[in-house]
Amino acid sequence: GAGVSQSPSNKVTEKGKDVELRCDPISGHTALYWYRQSLGQGLEFLIYFQGNSAPDKSGLPSDRFSAERTGGSVSTLTIQRTQQEDSAVYLCASSSQRANTQYFGPGTRLTVL
Amino acid sequence: KQEVTQIPAALSVPEGENLVLNCSFTDSAIYNLQWFRQDPGKGLTSLLLIQSSQREQTSGRLNASLDKSSGRSTLYIAASQPGDSATYLCAVRPQGGSEKLVFGKGTKLTVNP
Repeated sequence: GAGVSQSPSNKVTEKGKDVELRCDPISGHTALYWYRQSLGQGLEFLIYFQGNSAPDKSGLPSDRFSAERTGGSVSTLTIQRTQQEDSAVYLCASSSQRANTQYFGPGTRLTVL
Repeated sequence: KQEVTQIPAALSVPEGENLVLNCSFTDSAIYNLQWFRQDPGKGLTSLLLIQSSQREQTSGRLNASLDKSSGRSTLYIAASQPGDSATYLCAVRPQGGSEKLVFGKGTKLTVNP
């Protein structure tokens, strides 16, 4: 079956612009996660959705970052007024229920010039 | 705060060798531990998930062990092959209600033909 998909695969933007990153989870998966992988850093948790609500937003690095999920499916991560330090690979994952494996998408590579 | 450390950061071995990757975590209050594989430019592939009540999991040539009380896990790869070359990531899911995973920075494995 189809896995987690993310778009775009690559995004190059200028400092100060807003960007939107999209994640399509595996059909039927109620939990959705966003992570960020920066050069030289490990994967950092950003936000977790259960259905359309986000019980854990503790990893969002600043108020320039926001995310939403609609219809219990697609999620969008928005970064406003991008900065060079936002350059990273943004990974999305989904899982079917608590304690189960998280399945990851291929990621979106964001480059802020 | 949970921290995950992986040693070594990089490992190069000849084909056919058995090898062990190490993962340690600072807080033993975990729900589960997961090993992932990441190929360059790609997302993560789940290899093995060990629940906190389990001691080990096996899949093919891979065996992962968990010693929760000492905060350690190992991933054993038998009869390594060039196709095993990738970065291996260890992640724990802390207890306490959050669904997030806390990742180590990974071990980059190269298996030479």
